[in-house]
Amino acid sequence: EAGVTQFPSHSVIEKGQTVTLRCDPISGHDNLYWYRRVMGKEIKFLLHFVKESKQDESGMPNNRFLAERTGGTYSTLKVQPAELEDSGVYFCASSRGSRNTEAFFGQGTRLTVV
Amino acid sequence: AQSVAQPEDQVNVAEGNPLTVKCTYSVSGNPYLFWYVQYPNRGLQFLLKYITGDNLVKGSYGFEAEFNKSQTSFHLKKPSALVSDSALYFCAVRDTGDYKLSFGAGTTVTVRA
Repeated sequence: EAGVTQFPSHSVIEKGQTVTLRCDPISGHDNLYWYRRVMGKEIKFLLHFVKESKQDESGMPNNRFLAERTGGTYSTLKVQPAELEDSGVYFCASSRGSRNTEAFFGQGTRLTVV
Repeated sequence: AQSVAQPEDQVNVAEGNPLTVKCTYSVSGNPYLFWYVQYPNRGLQFLLKYITGDNLVKGSYGFEAEFNKSQTSFHLKKPSALVSDSALYFCAVRDTGDYKLSFGAGTTVTVRA
């Protein structure tokens, strides 16, 4: 079974530019999550999809961040315009339906805004 | 609100010695607890979880963790550490009414030969 795949693995962009991160979850996983780790701190929750619907987006930092999940399959996270403080590692994870199941994480996208 | 504390930024042990990585948590309901490991240039890998039942749970690579409700702790342990266990370890908690995970800041484990 293929794992969670994220693309790109690294991205370096200038302040004010736009970046789109992509996540392909494990097939059959209805739950998809985005997390972010900034500068060696805690991994912070951003949002949670159930199929194509946003279940919880309480962790999204501001309206420069837009997440979508087309047809309940892959997801994209767009940052527009990017700011310096957006730098960090963005993780995507997916899980099956119930709360007691573990989430499987991708390798992350390292975003550097210069 | 839910939160996790990993009080040690780094843990250094000699190969063959016991390894313990500490974790304490705070939740409003009953906790679901998880340990993940991140090797260099890799994503987070699931190690083990506590949902209910036996307080001692066993996971991958010989790791185990003990849930202690009175101390709100979920320490990760391995009886005999290997050099290959050197990695970044994250403890995470999920409240029973929620799906999102709250993570600790991570503990870097270095096992010296």
